[in-house]
Parts: sequence; structure tokens; C-alpha cells
Amino acid sequence: GAVVSQHPSRVICKSGTSVKIECRSLDFQATTMFWYRQFPKQSLMLMATSNEGSKATYEQGVEKDKFLINHASLTLSTLTVTSAHPEDSSFYICSARGRGGGTDTQYFGPGTRLTVL
Amino acid sequence: GENVEQHPSTLSVQEGDSAVIKCTYSDSASNYFPWYKQELGKRPQLIIDIRSNVGEKKDQRIAVTLNKTAKHFSLHITETQPEDSAVYFCAASIKDSSYKLIFGSGTRLLVRP
Repeated sequence: GAVVSQHPSRVICKSGTSVKIECRSLDFQATTMFWYRQFPKQSLMLMATSNEGSKATYEQGVEKDKFLINHASLTLSTLTVTSAHPEDSSFYICSARGRGGGTDTQYFGPGTRLTVL
Repeated sequence: GENVEQHPSTLSVQEGDSAVIKCTYSDSASNYFPWYKQELGKRPQLIIDIRSNVGEKKDQRIAVTLNKTAKHFSLHITETQPEDSAVYFCAASIKDSSYKLIFGSGTRLLVRP
């Protein structure tokens, strides 16, 4: 149980284009999903918290107009990197928190490696 | 806000030896402390977690201890194996309705055969 998928796993795009990343909880309902960014050899940095049916909460320094998050259902959250630039190249990982006991536990997706040329 | 410090940044041990990774946190209200293992290019995987109402938890070769007074917690891996080589992250919860986690900077563990 507690499987989280992410799509695509890898994307290469030209500067100025927008990229959408999907995060799905496959076998549980995710009350909350989290989006992280991880640069090489660094830790996970939380970008935003996404709750189903409400607006995402962004961490300080994260531009909400650049990183659009939609959590339309209890099993799907999307992150759209708008007008991507080379400095946005990174490993983007989502995690999901389910309902019920142990609700603190976050299960991670496999990540999406974004390369902006 | 919550701050989590993790040491050491790198750790090299001989196969069969024990490895210990330590973390400290700043928010005394934090009550959930997971440990994740991340292999290169892969997702972080939860290996063990502990809540503030217990001081120690063990799962086969892995154990975690928590000292609430000192605000630190540690990961212990015994009888290390080469497949334990990875980056390990500790995390602490934010005590609000968000259930956010703040991660440590990570420890790169190398187990030498």
C-alpha cells in the first residue's frame, strides 16, 4: 500500500515553455500532497503544500505564479512550471499524506527530472 | 520556524560495522520524526519513524532513538551491508495543521565491502 506515482519521470524542454508534472496516490486518498525540489547532492526543499479542493500554500521564496499547483481530487495533484528557464532545472518530487492512522507519514513519488535548455 | 541539523554529512564504514547518524531539531512542539533512505536518482523511502511519546524504536537492523529534552534523535544501523549505501535524511514535523516535514541536510553513507 501507499504507492505514489509521478509523471513524467524525465522531461527536457526549451526555455520559455511550460511543463506539467502529475502526482497520483494509487491506493489511498491523499488529503495533502507536498511538492519538493531537490538540487544535486542537496536536501529536499519544500515548495508548497497542496490540499484537495483548496489553494496551495507556498513556502517563502517560492513564486506561486511560476509554480502553479492544482489538487483537483484526493488522488491527483499537478505542478506546472510556467515559462521554465535553465535555473528551474531540478529534480521535482511529490509526496502524499493519507487519511487515517499515522497521518503524519509522507510517501514519495519517484520524482521528475526537469532539464530546461 | 523549525530547523533540523544533521551530522555527519558523509560516513564511511566497513561492512558489518555500525553506523550512527544524528539530528537535532529546534521546535520543541515537533512530535514526529521519520528517517528516509534515498538512492541515487530514486525517491526517498521511509525506513523508520518515531513519535514523541516513545524514546526508542527498532526494526531489525535499524533503530531510532529520541531524546525530547535535548531535542535530538539518531538513526542506528547495525551489521551494515553494501546495499545500505545511500543518502539518509532525517525530518521533523511542523506542529500545525499542515503536517509539513522539515528535512535535515542528509548523510551520505558508504559501506565498504
